[in-house]
Amino acid sequence: DQQVKQNSPSLSVQEGRISILNCDYTNSMFDYFLWYKKYPAEGPTFLISISSIKDKNEDGRFTVFLNKSAKHLSLHIVPSQPGDSAVYFCAASDGNKLVFGAGTILRVKS
Amino acid sequence: GAGVSQTPSNKVTEKGKYVELRCDPISGHTALYWYRQSLGQGPEFLIYFQGTGAADDSGLPNDRFFAVRPEGSVSTLKIQRTERGDSAVYLCASSLTGAMADTQYFGPGTRLTVL
Repeated sequence: DQQVKQNSPSLSVQEGRISILNCDYTNSMFDYFLWYKKYPAEGPTFLISISSIKDKNEDGRFTVFLNKSAKHLSLHIVPSQPGDSAVYFCAASDGNKLVFGAGTILRVKS
Repeated sequence: GAGVSQTPSNKVTEKGKYVELRCDPISGHTALYWYRQSLGQGPEFLIYFQGTGAADDSGLPNDRFFAVRPEGSVSTLKIQRTERGDSAVYLCASSLTGAMADTQYFGPGTRLTVL
């Protein structure tokens, strides 16, 4: 039973445009969420996080939005750059461990 | 400073053999985690250490899997009687204190292939 779901396996975006990656979760007890980015042959790298007391967190080109009533979060990347091409994982903090989605492959075309 | 390192980067073994995977966390980090990532999936939690003790081993799939962290730094994940279904990338992460908002820093992983 997947508690964190990323329903889009891949996304292709033109350089300079906005990338929107989506994530849904089922466990209403989750109260801290993260996005990680992963390049091939490397470990996941932390990107941005959000606590459930907020509905938005912004860091440079990256913004995460949280809709608690819909149990949905999204990551916006503006403007998208070719170096953003990677696998993006949504994760929820469950006590001391992270529960990850299956990931979305983002391709930014130049 | 140095990040999380894992050795070996790749391990190929035969079904039934024993393997050990090593993780060197970031110096000073008290919390250490093991995850397993199968093809097309996100990382799945295996075990969490706080210092030398396993604070949560609820993700270990069965008793063939065991992990230690005897001095509160380096950790070894041990898999006995390996099966083909154990093939995956094993990821190690560490964080400063283990608090929820602490960033978990991941190593590059060990790709285990069981033939």
